[in-house]
Amino acid sequence: ETGVTQSPTHLIKTRGQQVTLRCSSQSGHNTVSWYQQALGQGPQFIFQYYREEENGRGNFPPRFSGLQFPNYSSELNVNALELDDSALYLCASSPGSGAFSETQYFGPGTRLLVL
Amino acid sequence: AQSVTQPDIHITVSEGASLELRCNYSYGATPYLFWYVQSPGQGLQLLLKYFSGDTLVQGIKGFEAEFKRSQSSFNLRKPSVHWSDAAEYFCAVGLNNDMRFGAGTRLTVKP
Repeated sequence: ETGVTQSPTHLIKTRGQQVTLRCSSQSGHNTVSWYQQALGQGPQFIFQYYREEENGRGNFPPRFSGLQFPNYSSELNVNALELDDSALYLCASSPGSGAFSETQYFGPGTRLLVL
Repeated sequence: AQSVTQPDIHITVSEGASLELRCNYSYGATPYLFWYVQSPGQGLQLLLKYFSGDTLVQGIKGFEAEFKRSQSSFNLRKPSVHWSDAAEYFCAVGLNNDMRFGAGTRLTVKP
């Protein structure tokens, strides 16, 4: 148990729709990172938030956006869903200021299927 | 270009046998290095990490990894594999605000 929870566990959407995925970090963890893991592949870094500000982003288009709240929860929003967005979405929290020098604690993920 | 390579997609070992999973990276500087394990339907669990210092790192569940700068490698080892070690293993590297994972190695353990 990492103390990081995600909701929902599974989700089915239609191409073109919008989706919001949620993550609850460990209390006291100021950094949250989001990853996309396509079937049979390693996770890909989407972006990272530190104290409610985005402080790093991978190679994902602007239709992937996020929010982080003072209560250690966060959201990943994806607009205009495409079939290739079907994947497991993981969030991970860490106590410091990010930059990936710390241990990240991963949630179990949300599996998104886009039809 | 920055990259992480796990050359072995799938490895099968017998229970009790030794294990080595390979990881190579290509970065301009020495990044932070990690090994994670993922069981089916689960998130990722950190096995061990290397930032600096002793190049042989001990982790949880009896795993260890050795950082070799000259080979840009960070291979994961376990002297005796247990059936419960069957899972997907990911090598990851982090530097500044970039984090990259390898494609993973799936470990099957034969009884």
